[in-house]
Amino acid sequence: SQQGEEDPQALSIQEGENATMNCSYKTSINNLQWYRQNSGRGLVHLILIRSNEREKHSGRLRVTLDTSKKSSSLLITASRAADTASYFCATDATGTASKLTFGTGTRLQVTL
Amino acid sequence: DVKVTQSSRYLVKRTGEKVFLECVQDMDHENMFWYRQDPGLGLRLIYFSYDVKMKEKGDIPEGYSVSREKKERFSLILESASTNQTSMYLCASSLVALQGYTFGSGTRLTVV
Repeated sequence: SQQGEEDPQALSIQEGENATMNCSYKTSINNLQWYRQNSGRGLVHLILIRSNEREKHSGRLRVTLDTSKKSSSLLITASRAADTASYFCATDATGTASKLTFGTGTRLQVTL
Repeated sequence: DVKVTQSSRYLVKRTGEKVFLECVQDMDHENMFWYRQDPGLGLRLIYFSYDVKMKEKGDIPEGYSVSREKKERFSLILESASTNQTSMYLCASSLVALQGYTFGSGTRLTVV
């Protein structure tokens, strides 16, 4: 069962612009995580936000979490061509013993 | 850096073969996971393990089994490969509940 759903499915922007991706989920969570996947490779962990946190920053990444709306957003500022990848949100739902459920991802294309 | 190594990047197997996918992590992580990734479906959890000789079914365990005889190694077994098991298989590990996963590079399995 898919816990997280990302929106949009695909996003194309120019270098230097900001990219925003959204994630909605269905049940209560312990934390929400964002991952990046370059084409044909494994996923790389970007950032984790706990259920009692509302916003978190890491370099050019900003994540927000709204547990009342069961949604999260990932903002990449001043995007670069190297940010081209698929981005996934993953939720650690309460009562599921620390296993993550992933969404279907947003494909981000950053052009020069 | 934690490293998760999957033994093969690409595999081609015949229908009915028994297939072993190996995953090794080098940082003494307790938790290990097997996911499969298919276009439009995101990542789906097959099996996971919280300790040696322990295993738990994920969302899609049918047609698969796992083995964890040593802490660092988690093997996924396709008892009798079928064409609908053609997919990208991703192994991951984590130390504790509130930590991100470290993924291997993936094994792209084709069953013909």
